[in-house]
Amino acid sequence: QQQVKQSPQSLIVQKGGISIINCAYENTAFDYFPWYQQFPGKGPALLIAIRPDVSEKKEGRFTISFNKSAKQFSLHIMDSQPGDSATYFCAALAMIKAAGNKLTFGGGTRVLVKP
Amino acid sequence: AAGVIQSPRHLIKEKRETATLKCYPIPRHDTVYWYQQGPGQDPQFLISFYEKMQSDKGSIPDRFSAQQFSDYHSELNMSSLELGDSALYFCASSLSGGGLENIQYFGAGTRLSVL
Repeated sequence: QQQVKQSPQSLIVQKGGISIINCAYENTAFDYFPWYQQFPGKGPALLIAIRPDVSEKKEGRFTISFNKSAKQFSLHIMDSQPGDSATYFCAALAMIKAAGNKLTFGGGTRVLVKP
Repeated sequence: AAGVIQSPRHLIKEKRETATLKCYPIPRHDTVYWYQQGPGQDPQFLISFYEKMQSDKGSIPDRFSAQQFSDYHSELNMSSLELGDSALYFCASSLSGGGLENIQYFGAGTRLSVL
């Protein structure tokens, strides 16, 4: 059972458009929500992260929106560029211990930005 | 900036053989994590170590073992390899202490192919 559900599985957007990826979780112990970008054959790279006490966080063209009551969060990529074509993973973590807490990933969204 | 170093990058083994994957964390990071990613799948947590002690354990087969050494590097030992073990194996590292210091940074991964 996927603890973090991500949609859509794939997304095609025109250059300059907005890519929107949604995630939902059940475990209320989760208290840290990062987004990772992964190119083929590479490791996931941290894009942006948010804690539940913040409803929105923006870094450049990337914005996370967080709805704690609905247990949902989303990534918006503004002005999408061909170089943004990658797989995006949302993730969640419960900081139960001082270190070593595992990341639980969503299923991933493959984004293709057409020139 | 120095990143997480994994070796080897590619590994080809026969069924029932043994493999050892190595991970060198970012300098001053004291926590390492291992994840397994199958084709088209999201990364699945295997195990984590903090200060050379196992911190958390996920869906790691009994055939696999791992440890963290005094210089904080880690090794994942895989025995009696099966075809289903073919995957990308990622190591991540972080600082300890809670908060955003727990951000996990991923290496480029080791691609293991079991024939």
